[in-house]
Parts: sequence; structure tokens; C-alpha cells
Amino acid sequence: AQKVTQAQTEISVVEKEDVTLDCVYETRDTTYYLFWYKQPPSGELVFLIRRNSFDEQNEISGRYSWNFQKSTSSFNFTITASQVVDSAVYFCALSAWGTGNQFYFGTGTSLTVIP
Amino acid sequence: GAGVSQSPSNKVTEKGKDVELRCDPISGHTALYWYRQSLGQGLEFLIYFQGNSAPDKSGLPSDRFSAERTGGSVSTLTIQRTQQEDSAVYLCASSLEVGINEQFFGPGTRLTVL
Repeated sequence: AQKVTQAQTEISVVEKEDVTLDCVYETRDTTYYLFWYKQPPSGELVFLIRRNSFDEQNEISGRYSWNFQKSTSSFNFTITASQVVDSAVYFCALSAWGTGNQFYFGTGTSLTVIP
Repeated sequence: GAGVSQSPSNKVTEKGKDVELRCDPISGHTALYWYRQSLGQGLEFLIYFQGNSAPDKSGLPSDRFSAERTGGSVSTLTIQRTQQEDSAVYLCASSLEVGINEQFFGPGTRLTVL
């Protein structure tokens, strides 16, 4: 079975703090893809990153960084020096060859950055 | 380049009426997905289309829901005999290929069933 768990439902931080959003996934497939999406208050989902199961290198993009660890089945997302514009709901998703190519989304983490 | 577009942006209907929701994917994207998002909830998969293959309908909640994709491009999601529990935001997404590529989402259609 394929599953994505985002245990943190809501997080509040003060501006300029760092924050990490957790994502734990389950799959028996050896080939799979992991994604993060941002859904700001305006509602439209925005793609942030894709990672395939064969590439465990961490990635940094500006204030955003992602830590992929197959040993713990985790794909965590860190925002450094958070800003009010980072306030949104963040979704982690999994797609695996064995799932019939469906995307399995986590339930999302609502991040509020307080000025 | 144009993104995914959906129409209408808002739809209010009476219980028992049929509704049609439209999605225009990004040109060249062969995969198209429909999701439902209830207030404050995550994304519920409904159906996806990949090229000319048979769609994966495994997420459709009942036989009142159906979807088609004409000419490998525009898709229409139809809900017959709407119920109040159908009220939600219906999201469409497209990707280059199903499964491996990131999906690009439209702005959604907010459906309210009175």
C-alpha cells in the first residue's frame, strides 16, 4: 500500500525562524517519486520539488531545502528564515509505479508565519 | 505559456441538478487528473487520463460522477443529481506523463450544492 503521512497538521512560527515540515511515506516499490506542493490562501497549488527514489541528494533552493532519507522513508522540507509569504498549506505527495501512477497526497501541514 | 484553466470558477446549484465542470490542460500534457478538496481537507483523487489509454476511475465516489476527455485535451467532469456532500473545490491538474512528472494545477471550481 502507498501512503503519505504529514503528522503536523498546523505549525506557527515567528518570522525569521526556521521551520521543518515532516513527510513520511510508505511504498513497496523501488521506483517512486516524491513531491512537495504549496497551497497559499489564494488556493492554487504550486509545485515546489520532485525527487526520484534513486537520488538521495539533498536539495537547496534559496530559503527552501529538502532532506530525503530512504532509511527512514522521509522527505522533509525546511524553510530557513521564514517569511509571512510562506504562510500556506504544504502537501507532500508520492507516486510509485505500483500505484497505477496515482498521486498519493498527505493531509497537508498548515504553516502560519507570524510577523 | 498558459497554465491549466478551469471553468466555471464558482458554481452554485440546487440539490438534484446536474453540473459540468471543465478543465483545459497545459498544451502537450498527456496526463490529466481530477481531485476533490473539501474545506480544510487534503486532496481526494477522482480520476486520471493518460493519452488514449482507458482512464483510471478508481477514485470516483459514486456512479453519479463521470468524466471524459475529448481529443486528448479538454476534460469535463459531470456530477449528476448533485447532493450537498458534493460541495467542495474540484481541482484539475495536468502533467507531461502520468506518474513520474510533476502535476500543474488549475485554480479549481468551487461547487456549492444548496
